[in-house]
Amino acid sequence: SQTIHQWPATLVQPVGSPLSLECTVEGTSNPNLYWYRQAAGRGLQLLFYSVGIGQISSEVPQNLSASRPQDRQFILSSKKLLLSDSGFYLCAWSGQGHEQYFGPGTRLTVT
Amino acid sequence: SQKIEQNSEALNIQEGKTATLTCNYTNYSPAYLQWYRQDPGRGPVFLLLIRENEKEKRKERLKVTFDTTLKQSLFHITASQPADSATYLCASPPSGGYQKVTFGTGTKLQVIP
Repeated sequence: SQTIHQWPATLVQPVGSPLSLECTVEGTSNPNLYWYRQAAGRGLQLLFYSVGIGQISSEVPQNLSASRPQDRQFILSSKKLLLSDSGFYLCAWSGQGHEQYFGPGTRLTVT
Repeated sequence: SQKIEQNSEALNIQEGKTATLTCNYTNYSPAYLQWYRQDPGRGPVFLLLIRENEKEKRKERLKVTFDTTLKQSLFHITASQPADSATYLCASPPSGGYQKVTFGTGTKLQVIP
C-alpha cells in the first residue's frame, strides 16, 4: 500500500532563516506530487506541483521554491522566511485516479 | 475567472438527520468533482469522486450529486453521527487540465448529539 511521509511535524523558525521541508512517497511510482499551504482558518493554497523528476510548476510567486530530486521525493525550500510563511504545509500525491492523498503536514511558525 | 465555492462556512445539524453540503463552480466545466474530509490538524482525506456524466454516486452513508445545469455538487451524509463532525472540502480540476485541482474553502460540519 502507498504511504506518504512528511517531516518535521512542527517547526519554529525565526524570520530570515532558511527552510527545508521534505516529503517522500512509498508504494507507488511516477506519482504527481503537490505542496499546499493552509493558513489558519483558510482554504488549501496550491504552491507547487510536479509531474516528474525535475519538473516543477509554480502556482504562486513568492520566496518559496520546490525541487524533485528523485521520483518519490519532493522538497520545499526557502532561503529567507517571512512572517507570512507561517502555516500548515501539506504534501500530497496522486496517481492515475486523480484523487489526492495527503501527508500528515508540517506546522510552521515563523517568529 | 474560474471559481469553486462552498458558500456555507459552517453547518450544525442534529444527530440522525441528513447533512447536505453545497459546492458551486462558475466560468468553467470541470470534468469531475471530488470531496474530501479534513479533521483539525490533519491532512484532507479523499472521500468520493463524481464525473460530469454521472448524476449521483454513493458510498455507505455518503451520496454526491453533480448537476451541470445548476453548476453544483451536493454532498449528503445520511443518519449523521457526531463522528462525522469535520470540515468537508470540494475540489475540481480546471478546464482542460487534470494535473492539479483547486479546493473550495470548506464547510465545517458539526453534528450535535
